[in-house]
Amino acid sequence: DAGVTQSPTHLIKTRGQQVTLRCSPKSGHDTVSWYQQALGQGPQFIFQYYEEEERQRGNFPDRFSGHQFPNYSSELNVNALLLGDSALYLCASSLPRGYEQYFGPGTRLTVT
Amino acid sequence: GQNIDQPTEMTATEGAIVQINCTYQTSGFNGLFWYQQHAGEAPTFLSYNVLDGLEEKGRFSSFLSRSKGYSYLLLKELQMKDSASYLCAVRDLLAAGNKLTFGGGTRVLVKP
Repeated sequence: DAGVTQSPTHLIKTRGQQVTLRCSPKSGHDTVSWYQQALGQGPQFIFQYYEEEERQRGNFPDRFSGHQFPNYSSELNVNALLLGDSALYLCASSLPRGYEQYFGPGTRLTVT
Repeated sequence: GQNIDQPTEMTATEGAIVQINCTYQTSGFNGLFWYQQHAGEAPTFLSYNVLDGLEEKGRFSSFLSRSKGYSYLLLKELQMKDSASYLCAVRDLLAAGNKLTFGGGTRVLVKP
């Protein structure tokens, strides 16, 4: 049983560029959440997708957008990258009423 | 909003016991989670408390007091592999989804 997978593993971009990160949830899970984790800090909630709609959003600007596909996989898009966007981006999947979230290995984004 | 506090770092000796405290203030509470995160890896689920009291799972135990907004994670018989960050997270009762708000994490260093 495959767990949560994310791609790519690492990514280097320059300021002003755009990036797309991808996530495939654990088998049987239909809810996907995205978190940003800066070095030495706890993860910060970006948004959550369920039934292809954004169900909940954290305190992140509109430069951060997402999408969920019919197979429950998800993308995180960040436009106009800033140096401060450098972080580990974690995807977590869960059942809609499940309490446990399963995290993927993350994508390490570096903005130069 | 939610505010979660936990110590930044703790050091303990192999075989010893360490207690990691977490205090939280939340507008709505629907469960407290502890995750373990090794450097460069995804957080992995350790425990979930929604009612007051102690939950024991092998060498790890977690306690919750909702009236005090307080939890702790107890690690017994410490092993070198327990060196990691431990994240306290709270789920918001008022949210439609199961968004988690994380503390900054406690880095535990186990010494021989």
